[in-house]
Amino acid sequence: SQQGEEDPQALSIQEGENATMNCSYKTSINNLQWYRQNSGRGLVHLILIRSNEREKHSGRLRVTLDTSKKSSSLLITASRAADTASYFCATGYNTDKLIFGTGTRLQVFP
Amino acid sequence: DGGITQSPKYLFRKEGQNVTLSCEQNLNHDAMYWYRQDPGQGLRLIYYSQIVNDFQKGDIAEGYSVSREKKESFPLTVTSAQKNPTAFYLCASSQNSRGNEQFFGPGTRLTVL
Repeated sequence: SQQGEEDPQALSIQEGENATMNCSYKTSINNLQWYRQNSGRGLVHLILIRSNEREKHSGRLRVTLDTSKKSSSLLITASRAADTASYFCATGYNTDKLIFGTGTRLQVFP
Repeated sequence: DGGITQSPKYLFRKEGQNVTLSCEQNLNHDAMYWYRQDPGQGLRLIYYSQIVNDFQKGDIAEGYSVSREKKESFPLTVTSAQKNPTAFYLCASSQNSRGNEQFFGPGTRLTVL
């Protein structure tokens, strides 16, 4: 069963704009992770935020986590054409498994 | 270079044939995972292994089998019992299995004709 649901399913923006995608989940978590997937490739880990953290930054990425609302957001600032990819959230909770969401397809036009 | 490799990148098989997908990692990771991804969808867990000679079923294990005889290798066999095997298969590994960052291979696209 998939726990995470990303919103929107698809997002198109111009280079230089910010991109925001959201993830909702259903049960308790230890951490939430964001991954990126270029078309036809494997996933690449972007950032991990623990359940006791509310915000985390990494370069142009900003992740927030609201455990009361069971939601997270990923903000990519000053987007580039190379940011075009699918972005997935994944949650882990005292298990050996990560549960991945359905993904947001981001298209950044030059 | 450290990493995780999958081979082949593309694989074609006739219906009714078993096929084995390779996954190798030299990251010295204990845990390894197999996922299936269908077009426009997220990842679904097929099998995972926390340690050599041990593995557990994921959410969609029916029609698949795995082995973990060596720490660095976790091959996946797609059997003829899998009703809809055409998909993109991703292998991943992590330092340990408790919700840590996973490192992914490049994937194998299997097409059953």
